[in-house]
Amino acid sequence: NAGVTQTPKFQVLKTGQSMTLQCAQDMNHEYMSWYRQDPGMGLRLIHYSVGAGITDQGEVPNGYNVSRSTTEDFPLRLLSAAPSQTSVYFCASSTGTGGSVKNIQYFGAGTRLSVL
Amino acid sequence: AQSVTQLGSHVSVSEGALVLLRCNYSSSVPPYLFWYVQYPNQGLQLLLKYTSAATLVKGINDFEAEFKKSETSFHLTKPSAHMSDAAEYFCAVSRGYGGATNKLIFGTGTLLAVQP
Repeated sequence: NAGVTQTPKFQVLKTGQSMTLQCAQDMNHEYMSWYRQDPGMGLRLIHYSVGAGITDQGEVPNGYNVSRSTTEDFPLRLLSAAPSQTSVYFCASSTGTGGSVKNIQYFGAGTRLSVL
Repeated sequence: AQSVTQLGSHVSVSEGALVLLRCNYSSSVPPYLFWYVQYPNQGLQLLLKYTSAATLVKGINDFEAEFKKSETSFHLTKPSAHMSDAAEYFCAVSRGYGGATNKLIFGTGTLLAVQP
């Protein structure tokens, strides 16, 4: 059981390049989300999905696109990278939006992105 | 709207001393509250969560937190610090019911150093 897997672990881009950060989970979780982590700012929600085919914006969605074609995968796309997108990106998944004490978010190990 | 404030971006304690990390929240609806820990170059791991059951919540590695509605606080404590507790700790809040309860709002984090 791998949990939440993020690839790549590190990436360097030039301004204007595009790329996709991959996220996959093998726990059959309905809910997945993307966060970015910046020094002194904690984690901020970029986009989230409550199930296959359903996505919505978080706090800081500009410059990022997502799609959810399968339950397992939730890729994050940067269409035209900017230096302001230099950050550490985390993907997370959980069982759903209910109030169960079992409903916790599991985080991947992160992708460290630098945009020059 | 919900928010979380973590008082003290850096906390240093001696090994064996009490650990106290402060978190205050703001929420217009009954909240769910969480503490996550992040070790260097790793993703976030859940320490404990409050979901309107017992106000004193026990987590992993002898950490615990007490929900105090009157003080809008959810401080994290551990009776005796260990060197392995050195990490960054994040407090987070989500809606307690209705809507996407998985949408977490994070604090800016507290870096805990443990001195020998």
